[in-house]
Amino acid sequence: DSGVTQTPKHLITATGQRVTLRCSPRSGDLSVYWYQQSLDQGLQFLIQYYNGEERAKGNILERFSAQQFPDLHSELNLSSLELGDSALYFCASSISGDTDTQYFGPGTRLTVL
Amino acid sequence: GNSVTQMEGPVTLSEEAFLTINCTYTATGYPSLFWYVQYPGEGLQLLLKATKADDKGSNKGFEATYRKETTSFHLEKGSVQVSDSAVYFCALSDKGSSNTGKLIFGQGTTLQVKP
Repeated sequence: DSGVTQTPKHLITATGQRVTLRCSPRSGDLSVYWYQQSLDQGLQFLIQYYNGEERAKGNILERFSAQQFPDLHSELNLSSLELGDSALYFCASSISGDTDTQYFGPGTRLTVL
Repeated sequence: GNSVTQMEGPVTLSEEAFLTINCTYTATGYPSLFWYVQYPGEGLQLLLKATKADDKGSNKGFEATYRKETTSFHLEKGSVQVSDSAVYFCALSDKGSSNTGKLIFGQGTTLQVKP
């Protein structure tokens, strides 16, 4: 158990819908990262927050957004969902915002029908 | 930009065989290097890491040495077990100019160990 929790574990929804994925980092970690794992793209970095502020952005679609709250949990919002958004979404956390080891949650599997 | 290339899988070995999974990287500066493992139906677990040239990371019988001259971080284990069957990911931390530790992953290598 990494100490990072993600909910829900599975999510099934329809095209055009909006969903929210939630992540709670390990106790004491200030940085949260979101990654997408799909068969065609592999593991891709989406976005990073550090102590409530956005730190870095990857190949995140404009339909996707995220935020980190004062209690340091983070939410990833995916809207206008398309079939191609079906993937495993991982959250990871680390103590600081640079090259510290990242600890991954169990992931949320999103299926868009 | 920075990138990681892993040997293609799947890799199929018999129990107690020697394992090597090749990983090479392209990076500016001095990234940290990691191996993560993903067991079926689970998230990624850190296996080992190295933060500077010539460092050797090790854990659970697995080892990898940070080789700057060959830009490599190959994963090795002397005697694999059936329980080592999983997908292995090589990754580097891409600090860049924005002081981020975002990870860039290789495509993953599936290891299957047969009894």
